[in-house]
Amino acid sequence: EIVMTQSPATLSVSPGERATLSCRASQSVGTDFAWYHQKPGQAPRLLIYGASTRASGVPARFSGSGSGTEFTLSISSLQSEDSGAYYCQQYIGWPPAWTFGQGTKVEVK
Amino acid sequence: QVLLMESGGDLVKPGESLRLSCSASGFTLSGHYMGWVRQAPGGGLEWLSYIFPAGFPTYYADSVKGRFTISRDDARNSVFLQMDSLKVEDTAVYYCARPLEVRGFYHGFEYWGQGTLVTVSS
Repeated sequence: EIVMTQSPATLSVSPGERATLSCRASQSVGTDFAWYHQKPGQAPRLLIYGASTRASGVPARFSGSGSGTEFTLSISSLQSEDSGAYYCQQYIGWPPAWTFGQGTKVEVK
Repeated sequence: QVLLMESGGDLVKPGESLRLSCSASGFTLSGHYMGWVRQAPGGGLEWLSYIFPAGFPTYYADSVKGRFTISRDDARNSVFLQMDSLKVEDTAVYYCARPLEVRGFYHGFEYWGQGTLVTVSS
């Protein structure tokens, strides 16, 4: 099983500042990699797939980068609605076993 | 508008069974891969199972393999998760989800239901 490890566990950022989240895979997943955002009481929302492609309707302030085992999600100008938990996920391999990271909780000060 | 709606969550005792349903609307279920993901209270996301458009093959996380069975009824636009031999650690919100397809390749889960709560407790 591919293990996904996210850092930091929590992040507190002021509105308008940049937030940077990291995710590391225990083995290479190429760019078969996604980021999700989840607000309390809601289902997750797909933000980024293919490591760097924004999903439909996702604001341009979200950007993803990386390949192989190291990935980054950047939020260029944090807004209050960006608070919540962020999860990374790999979807490489056959048969499919799409593992998630443990999450990073983002607080907008 | 794609909508997924789970139902069937309940409070059950360890060792009991439960069947979750996911009703799909806004698209034709046949031809789409579907999956189940769960989230323990205060915890992270855990991928559980995946079913191909024809109903097979199916895949499972090691944590539920041999106890959970995914199935589908395309005529009813529904996906199911039969959960047997439930354990306390199966307590979670269960989501059904549809992967994002781009030119024949699948990239994570684009559409999610609102989730249904399963509580396993004596």
